[in-house]
Amino acid sequence: DARVTQTPRHKVTEMGQEVTMRCQPILGHNTVFWYRQTMMQGLELLAYFRNRAPLDDSGMPKDRFSAEMPDATLATLKIQPSEPRDSAVYFCASYPGWGEQFFGPGTRLTVL
Amino acid sequence: AQTVTQSQPEMSVQEAETVTLSCTYDTSESDYYLFWYKQPPSRQMILVIRQEAYKQQNATENRFSVNFQKAAKSFSLKISDSQLGDAAMYFCAYRRGGGATNKLIFGTGTLLAVQP
Repeated sequence: DARVTQTPRHKVTEMGQEVTMRCQPILGHNTVFWYRQTMMQGLELLAYFRNRAPLDDSGMPKDRFSAEMPDATLATLKIQPSEPRDSAVYFCASYPGWGEQFFGPGTRLTVL
Repeated sequence: AQTVTQSQPEMSVQEAETVTLSCTYDTSESDYYLFWYKQPPSRQMILVIRQEAYKQQNATENRFSVNFQKAAKSFSLKISDSQLGDAAMYFCAYRRGGGATNKLIFGTGTLLAVQP
């Protein structure tokens, strides 16, 4: 049963600290999306990659956020330095190029 | 820009009854897809149903069906024989078609409560 995995599932950190979230897409899927869910903004796209190349990161605050896909089995989202307003659930979604996007379980981030 | 609107922040239904969740969208595209996702308290995003814009027939998945009105840009979800496990947040989502890799645009969600 192929699934998207995300680590960590929960993260509590202090303002100013670096946070790294990881996603393992489903093997064979060529596209990875990062979405953020907050009470105020709802679900919004941060960035996405196709064949490991960044296609759109316009939804991501460039000064503190960075997203990479070092290989086909790993996508990372990094926040440095983190701020309380970054508290949210971050979802990774894996897409085979047709049909639906498959969501991971999310990383719940709390920045104190 | 495409937008998705869910005008019902909360809905409630009695177990075994039927409920309809509303969704409208705005787009100038002719090729697109519409989705309903369920998000239970676990926060996992679960695809409930999908509709291709070029298909006139409304999609159905067991107790879930949609009423797709393309001209009116409306995409409502009907849940029949509601069960306690249907209680969740439901999101309507739009994705542009055309063969490109496109993001999902979500509505603000409808929180569905199922009363025993």
